[in-house]
Amino acid sequence: GQSLEQPSEVTAVEGAIVQINCTYQTSGFYGLSWYQQHDGGAPTFLSYNALDGLEETGRFSSFLSRSDSYGYLLLQELQMKDSASYFCAVKGGGADGLTFGKGTHLIIQP
Amino acid sequence: DSGVTQTPKHLITATGQRVTLRCSPRSGDLSVYWYQQSLDQGLQFLIQYYNGEERAKGNILERFSAQQFPDLHSELNLSSLELGDSALYFCASSVGPWDTQGNTIYFGEGSWLTVV
Repeated sequence: GQSLEQPSEVTAVEGAIVQINCTYQTSGFYGLSWYQQHDGGAPTFLSYNALDGLEETGRFSSFLSRSDSYGYLLLQELQMKDSASYFCAVKGGGADGLTFGKGTHLIIQP
Repeated sequence: DSGVTQTPKHLITATGQRVTLRCSPRSGDLSVYWYQQSLDQGLQFLIQYYNGEERAKGNILERFSAQQFPDLHSELNLSSLELGDSALYFCASSVGPWDTQGNTIYFGEGSWLTVV
């Protein structure tokens, strides 16, 4: 099976940069994904890392270190609309599904 | 709009009852996933189907069952409902057996189930 650990809550200031960390344990590994979910809404895909390194998509970047079983999501130039929960997810080997962490609630202050 | 359609959006039912949640995946997607989200448990993976066959199984209770039909829509059946089954149930879909397009799966808006 898989397990993921991420902070339950992070607070940041509008316009700043914030990093949300994720560590994982999985048998087999097919990549680390990040999803965003606004209150009451559907999770939406943000980014995916299959290989070590940094992937950049606009204001969002995601990093992966497979040797450390660790990744992070970096959000730059924070906007109030970025207030949401952020989930990391892994797909393990075999018949394991795509498993999500419990999510990090990002609070942005003006 | 992700293209994944779930019905009903809201459902209130009594303990001991049975309900069926329905999901239509995005056009062209062969894989369907079901997730349960409650306040303290995050997104819990229940089950995945690919082209009509069960592909992966998570923490799905024996009281719950699912299937994917030839037209690729899926149903999640919840029986002998308990108060603790109250949650938001998401369906998601992807093209491949797991998410071959950059590990992207697309979520529907969810079905809110309240058991009273």
